[in-house]
Amino acid sequence: IAGITQAPTSQILAAGRRMTLRCTQDMRHNAMYWYRQDLGLGLRLIHYSNTAGTTGKGEVPDGYSVSRANTDDFPLTLASAVPSQTSVYFCASSEGGTNTGELFFGEGSRLTVL
Amino acid sequence: GQNIDQPTEMTATEGAIVQINCTYQTSGFNGLFWYQQHAGEAPTFLSYNVLDGLEEKGRFSSFLSRSKGYSYLLLKELQMKDSASYLCASMDSNYQLIWGAGTKLIIKP
Repeated sequence: IAGITQAPTSQILAAGRRMTLRCTQDMRHNAMYWYRQDLGLGLRLIHYSNTAGTTGKGEVPDGYSVSRANTDDFPLTLASAVPSQTSVYFCASSEGGTNTGELFFGEGSRLTVL
Repeated sequence: GQNIDQPTEMTATEGAIVQINCTYQTSGFNGLFWYQQHAGEAPTFLSYNVLDGLEEKGRFSSFLSRSKGYSYLLLKELQMKDSASYLCASMDSNYQLIWGAGTKLIIKP
């Protein structure tokens, strides 16, 4: 089934540890995104990539990094996790260009930093 | 600044009609989107409006007034499975989505 796969689905992490959330899509979408979702707040964009080989910063990029070595994969890395990074993380993709609004989301990764 | 406002929570009765409002202020405008998100799941796309007026899609309709910075999502013949959060998002001049916090819709029998 075509779509977006995220891993892990859930993780508890000690503060200061490094963590990579994986995201893979098989729809050949150009654009990919990482969002975090916190209670009472809208989805907030962390980083995005309009096409393979390029990345950009979103609204809340600090403490996070991404790479886009190919079309399918878009991992998100927390270099040194802090408790404020406790959240649900969603990876999403879209066709890109001016057709970026219809996003396809992964099932989310629930991260708890202690 | 950029801002999306929508009610935090609404309650409606099974079989009834409910309207979820959204007002937006964004730098430029390239469309208004509605997404549905069931608890513990990913958001899924519902509708897209870029021109003024009503777009109907089955039991769901979405309306846009660009001059008023206003949209609503209309859900008819409510079913229990419609219990979910409904997310409003405006696309700005850079084709980035600005999201509201979501409206939690509770359907009662």
